[in-house]
Amino acid sequence: LAKTTQPISMDSYEGQEVNITCSHNNIATNDYITWYQQFPSQGPRFIIQGYKTKVTNEVASLFIPADRKSSTLSLPRVSLSDTAVYYCLVGPPGYSTLTFGKGTMLLVSP
Amino acid sequence: GAVVSQHPSWVICKSGTSVKIECRSLDFQATTMFWYRQFPKQSLMLMATSNEGSKATYEQGVEKDKFLINHASLTLSTLTVTSAHPEDSSFYICSAPLETQYFGPGTRLLVL
Repeated sequence: LAKTTQPISMDSYEGQEVNITCSHNNIATNDYITWYQQFPSQGPRFIIQGYKTKVTNEVASLFIPADRKSSTLSLPRVSLSDTAVYYCLVGPPGYSTLTFGKGTMLLVSP
Repeated sequence: GAVVSQHPSWVICKSGTSVKIECRSLDFQATTMFWYRQFPKQSLMLMATSNEGSKATYEQGVEKDKFLINHASLTLSTLTVTSAHPEDSSFYICSAPLETQYFGPGTRLLVL
């Protein structure tokens, strides 16, 4: 599976838009990009998945450039409850195994 | 989305005892499930792949005789931590795949 690199931490304030970028230079042709959110003492929660260009759902958008070597998770108007660790993972859909990187700890302040 | 449950959500046991953790896919069938372990302030580490009807596949460094995995049906996988010791205290999480991986809520194990 392709290795991913994310910022260790990010800080934001309520109401702001937050963009978390993930680098995955060795992404394979059949790999998808998936983002998960994890709160303390909970299992990861699926946020969004995409292959190319832009994907949007009710909670986030995922921007993937043409070369697919990076991706950006966009969280519009964050709230305190968005404080969590966000993981970017790359692999075939339905993934046989998942290798978690260190993730990005997002802290949203009032 | 798909739902994966775990039971118990937390367990405290004495050193030397065995603990069983269940992982269920509630609204879909899963021939494969995955078990992860997460220590405080760290990321998830894959322990093993549970295969319905066959032996589990363990990641390097994970003792298969200590962490027994049984995938008895298409909706249930169990992880038994045998002869638990304090260093086994951790957060255990399972997942099951559909179009992506769906994770259970986790089980907090504390071995005294």
